[in-house]
Amino acid sequence: DTGVSQNPRHKITKRGQNVTFRCDPISEHNRLYWYRQTLGQGPEFLTYFQNEAQLEKSRLLSDRFSAERPKGSFSTLEIQRTEQGDSAMYLCASSSRAPSDSPLHFGNGTRLTVT
Amino acid sequence: GQNIDQPTEMTATEGAIVQINCTYQTSGFNGLFWYQQHAGEAPTFLSYNVLDGLEEKGRFSSFLSRSKGYSYLLLKELQMKDSASYLCTIGNTPLVFGKGTRLSVIA
Repeated sequence: DTGVSQNPRHKITKRGQNVTFRCDPISEHNRLYWYRQTLGQGPEFLTYFQNEAQLEKSRLLSDRFSAERPKGSFSTLEIQRTEQGDSAMYLCASSSRAPSDSPLHFGNGTRLTVT
Repeated sequence: GQNIDQPTEMTATEGAIVQINCTYQTSGFNGLFWYQQHAGEAPTFLSYNVLDGLEEKGRFSSFLSRSKGYSYLLLKELQMKDSASYLCTIGNTPLVFGKGTRLSVIA
């Protein structure tokens, strides 16, 4: 078990640029989640995959955000035309079964700063 | 939908016992989780309750009352490293987190 890996750890970008983050879940986990967290707040759900299928997407997620998990393994989260309000920690988590049956394993996150 | 309520901040003394309460309302219940999150780090799983009662794991215990929509996390023999945020969440898909309780352990 090598844990959930996220890259990059930090990303600084100018407003209006596109950014892409990668998440490699624990290898035997078929569920993958993206969360966003700002200072003093709990993780906010963004989207959820089971294998390659994106099963749920938060209504808070604008059209500038898109996520993929093409082969049911790693996932990417892209933010287009970044805004300063997108500055946050982006967390990826994986699990082997539904959240009611198994805990989420989080990666160390990608911290995005939009200047 | 669901709603989770926890105190925002708590302070306790090293070596003491602290109880962090969580109340919830949810249309469906699939267990309750507690996660610990140190500043600047990812959340890590602490405990899971699906039946009423107390689950003990070392210095940490978690209690659940489904009829009251209530849980607590009990931390014994507090250590400075226990200073962190503690997140209570319902085991529905997807997991929805509240703001959590920021615990400060002082000497």
